[in-house]
Amino acid sequence: DTAVSQTPKYLVTQMGNDKSIKCEQNLGHDTMYWYKQDSKKFLKIMFSYNNKELIINETVPNRFSPKSPDKAHLNLHINSLELGDSAVYFCASNRKGANTEAFFGQGTRLTVV
Amino acid sequence: EDKVVQSPLSLVVHEGDTVTLNCSYEVTNFRSLLWYKQEKKAPTFLFMLTSSGIEKKSGRLSSILDKKELFSILNITATQTGDSAVYLCAVERSARQLTFGSGTQLTVLP
Repeated sequence: DTAVSQTPKYLVTQMGNDKSIKCEQNLGHDTMYWYKQDSKKFLKIMFSYNNKELIINETVPNRFSPKSPDKAHLNLHINSLELGDSAVYFCASNRKGANTEAFFGQGTRLTVV
Repeated sequence: EDKVVQSPLSLVVHEGDTVTLNCSYEVTNFRSLLWYKQEKKAPTFLFMLTSSGIEKKSGRLSSILDKKELFSILNITATQTGDSAVYLCAVERSARQLTFGSGTQLTVLP
């Protein structure tokens, strides 16, 4: 039983395209996140979202947008993809207000060519 | 299915104690093992281990990997209250995907 699942696992696309990465959690958590992992393995938070509040890291380009059809899903849409968007993107979730661990998906490796 | 198991799940110690956190794994196409410290926001990267038996060290933290026995340990000496956090172990496959363990919640009391 996968707690946090992301699809697709791999995504290769051309510059300028628009793509989406899906994330689903079956843990009943209230808050979901998107992270970008850089080449040095650092995880940078992009968004955190619960039913009431979207918090955006101000360094994230507005080509990136989260979409949450319901509490269990937080999809990441990326418009006009650029070469520098190539990275591994991780989705995570935890309970609202909890300052402890988040459960992570396995990541989506995005390659922009 | 890839699996990463961390132990203990939680640990409470006093300042000055030394702690050892464990991470065992079963994963296909192993590439590396990573340790993160998670507090309120994004996990902070600590170490990446790719070779067995070579200790990585950063201040009071150190880590080592055993690829034969498929585990890693993270040691923290002379713990401080600021070390209180969840410590995540993650194993990276050749495709750069990570499988995370559930984490060890460390609480350091003054």
